[in-house]
Amino acid sequence: GAVVSQHPSWVICKSGTSVKIECRSLDFQATTMFWYRQFPKQSLMLMATSNEGSKATYEQGVEKDKFLINHASLTLSTLTVTSAHPEDSSFYICSARDLAGYNEQFFGPGTRLTVL
Amino acid sequence: GQNIDQPTEMTATEGAIVQINCTYQTSGFNGLFWYQQHAGEAPTFLSYNVLDGLEEKGRFSSFLSRSKGYSYLLLKELQMKDSASYLCAVMDSNYQLIWGAGTKLIIKP
Repeated sequence: GAVVSQHPSWVICKSGTSVKIECRSLDFQATTMFWYRQFPKQSLMLMATSNEGSKATYEQGVEKDKFLINHASLTLSTLTVTSAHPEDSSFYICSARDLAGYNEQFFGPGTRLTVL
Repeated sequence: GQNIDQPTEMTATEGAIVQINCTYQTSGFNGLFWYQQHAGEAPTFLSYNVLDGLEEKGRFSSFLSRSKGYSYLLLKELQMKDSASYLCAVMDSNYQLIWGAGTKLIIKP
């Protein structure tokens, strides 16, 4: 199956700092990538859809100025959490859609963010 | 509105069979996915159904009835490692995935 990597796997930062998370599709091109967050014991919550070469589409209630998304190439999307606060602590997961398959989404391993 | 329903939690015995149901109401339908998610890990793809019927893949099978807005995931010969959450997701007319809340499956020896 298609492989998606995510970096870093976990990060601890101080309140007020910014954190960048990278999502890469390793063996396929992904025109569309998705960013999710997941709180403990809850389901995935879609934050935004990232399209290569265009602006991301954010879900209702997600602050686009706080969660900056850049999809600069067909294999890389980045999520930057700006001015992080403790309530931003969560499990952030990216996925990439393989148009050559069933349109299924392949997930990265996730990034656990802890803001102190 | 769009809605995916699945049981919150199920318990089964090692070696047995369990069926996890999923009902959905979405704007359009471009397929139904099942994912497995172990605690602290990202989801992994299990199956995809777009036509009615049963798709079998080893110990796992997935069934779809589009007229009833219904799917189930069938797990046979349960193993302890099958303890995980199972997520049902439907791709709507905009090719967006609508996610269920997930079913936590607990396997007992």
